[in-house]
Amino acid sequence: GAVVSQHPSWVICKSGTSVKIECRSLDFQATTMFWYRQFPKQSLMLMATSNEGSKATYEQGVEKDKFLINHASLTLSTLTVTSAHPEDSSFYICSATGSYGYTFGSGTRLTVV
Amino acid sequence: EDQVTQSPEALRLQEGESSSLNCSYTVSGLRGLFWYRQDPGKGPEFLFTLYSAGEEKEKERLKATLTKKESFLHITAPKPEDSATYLCAVSVGGNTPLVFGKGTRLSVIA
Repeated sequence: GAVVSQHPSWVICKSGTSVKIECRSLDFQATTMFWYRQFPKQSLMLMATSNEGSKATYEQGVEKDKFLINHASLTLSTLTVTSAHPEDSSFYICSATGSYGYTFGSGTRLTVV
Repeated sequence: EDQVTQSPEALRLQEGESSSLNCSYTVSGLRGLFWYRQDPGKGPEFLFTLYSAGEEKEKERLKATLTKKESFLHITAPKPEDSATYLCAVSVGGNTPLVFGKGTRLSVIA
């Protein structure tokens, strides 16, 4: 089956620093990848959609300069949280779509101190 | 606007007490309805995809059904390990993002 690997699974960083989260499709080519944010006891909130080789499309209210998305290949997308602040602390999840449908990564718990 | 509504928000069952979770949807054109299971601190785990009204799929104690307006996830004789949040989502076409419901938090008590 389709597998999406997301790293790191958790990260703690200091306020003002940047953090990069990787999302890889291991056994299929992902034409499109999605990035979500999830708050405790809430559902997934779509942040952006990225297609390989083109600029990401951000949802309303998501700062594209703060949440940088790069989709350099059909198997890798990265989300960089720039100049992180405590309010950016959250659970971030990626998803990739290809011939297998929609597959999700295991998520990244970001804590900004 | 495409919408997905799940009910109940939370459900507490005794072990062995069967029940159903509901997912009602309003979309412009359904390409697929998805059920996922999510454990705390984990990403969603795929359960089922349903494509047309009348379709049913089963996996162990779970059975998913689909009508033109809603889907049900039936849980037969649940066990404590079935405790999780169950998410329903719809695809409206192509490589568009899934539209998620808010989920149902299921607790199965031994």
